[in-house]
Amino acid sequence: GENVEQHPSTLSVQEGDSAVIKCTYSDSASNYFPWYKQELGKRPQLIIDIRSNVGEKKDQRIAVTLNKTAKHFSLHITETQPEDSAVYFCAASMPGNQFYFGTGTSLTVIP
Amino acid sequence: GAVVSQHPSRVICKSGTSVKIECRSLDFQATTMFWYRQFPKQSLMLMATSNEGSKATYEQGVEKDKFLINHASLTLSTLTVTSAHPEDSSFYICSAGALRGTEAFFGQGTRLTVV
Repeated sequence: GENVEQHPSTLSVQEGDSAVIKCTYSDSASNYFPWYKQELGKRPQLIIDIRSNVGEKKDQRIAVTLNKTAKHFSLHITETQPEDSAVYFCAASMPGNQFYFGTGTSLTVIP
Repeated sequence: GAVVSQHPSRVICKSGTSVKIECRSLDFQATTMFWYRQFPKQSLMLMATSNEGSKATYEQGVEKDKFLINHASLTLSTLTVTSAHPEDSSFYICSAGALRGTEAFFGQGTRLTVV
């Protein structure tokens, strides 16, 4: 199956600074790349996604970039706020809709 | 977005017993559902793909006789943890997608504790 790697595993930033999380995937057949935010004991919530025919997508303070050639994609959060603190997962989806998740990044925004 | 409901949210069972977890798509039909397992502070690990009307497809290393999956209808998939042991204690989450190549909708998750 697909192999998704995610870095860093932990990230601390000062409130107002930017946070960047990077993921790589192995299977060129993957065509959909969502990012999820998960709070402790809760289900993952989709925050942004990108398809393989798009290079960049932005939604307010959140943006995602995709480099198909290099098989990597990144999440960018600008003007971070304490409520952004959570665990973030990237995922790569195969055409059969199986999602393979990265190992997660625990983001802490320091007030 | 679409709604996926998972029950129970928490279950405690004795070692050696079996536990069934249900995953329902409430407002769409899901020919395929997915079951994940998540250990504390770790990522979601895909366990198996549940296919309506046919056998589930298990990921490498997942015991099919241990984790029985049944997808009897287009809106319901069940995961049964058989002869549960303490090491099976984990957070189990199902997901379904209304369309291929789109957002996955997750159930609330089930916290299983085997004592």
